Amino acid sequence: EAGVAQSPRYKIIEKRQSVAFWCNPISGHATLYWYQQILGQGPKLLIQFQNNGVVDDSQLPKDRFSAERLKGVDSTLKIQPAKLEDSAVYLCASSSAAGGLDEQFFGPGTRLTVL
Amino acid sequence: AQSVTQPDIHITVSEGASLELRCNYSYGATPYLFWYVQSPGQGLQLLLKYFSGDTLVQGIKGFEAEFKRSQSSFNLRKPSVHWSDAAEYFCAVADTGGFKTIFGAGTRLFVKA
Repeated sequence: EAGVAQSPRYKIIEKRQSVAFWCNPISGHATLYWYQQILGQGPKLLIQFQNNGVVDDSQLPKDRFSAERLKGVDSTLKIQPAKLEDSAVYLCASSSAAGGLDEQFFGPGTRLTVL
Repeated sequence: AQSVTQPDIHITVSEGASLELRCNYSYGATPYLFWYVQSPGQGLQLLLKYFSGDTLVQGIKGFEAEFKRSQSSFNLRKPSVHWSDAAEYFCAVADTGGFKTIFGAGTRLFVKA
């Protein structure tokens, strides 16, 4: 089966610009996650969707980050405006069941550099 | 709130030697524990997980981990390391609802010939 797809793979922007990342989860997976992985750190959960509803967005900086999951399939994560500290790899993952106890399948990530 | 500590930022092991990566967690109830591996340019892949039952868990690629409640540890082991095992390894803990997974900072494994 096809894995989790993400695009773009790399993005370079200047601070205060906006950027959007796209994720297509594994077909049939109900739960979708966005993580931020800063260099030298482990992934940090930003937002978790079950179908098209938000389960957890407690660590999402809502003043500049937004995410949506249309029709419970694809998802988009947006940053507007970007700050230098947003430089990181943004990982999308999906799992078939609700919650984090099922295996999460990760995409390759989008590496964002903010100058 | 749960947390995960991986004390070793990086470890170097000779090919064919045994490996143990340390992981300590903090959580008030019985934790759900995971080990993931991240190879260069690739996404994270689940190696193994512990929910309950036998405290010694077998995973893919010849890895195993042992849950020790008294030490709040979930160390990852492999009896003989291969050069292809060079990667970054992440320990993670999920709460009982399973709705949030917390990852450690990772341990980078280098394998020397």
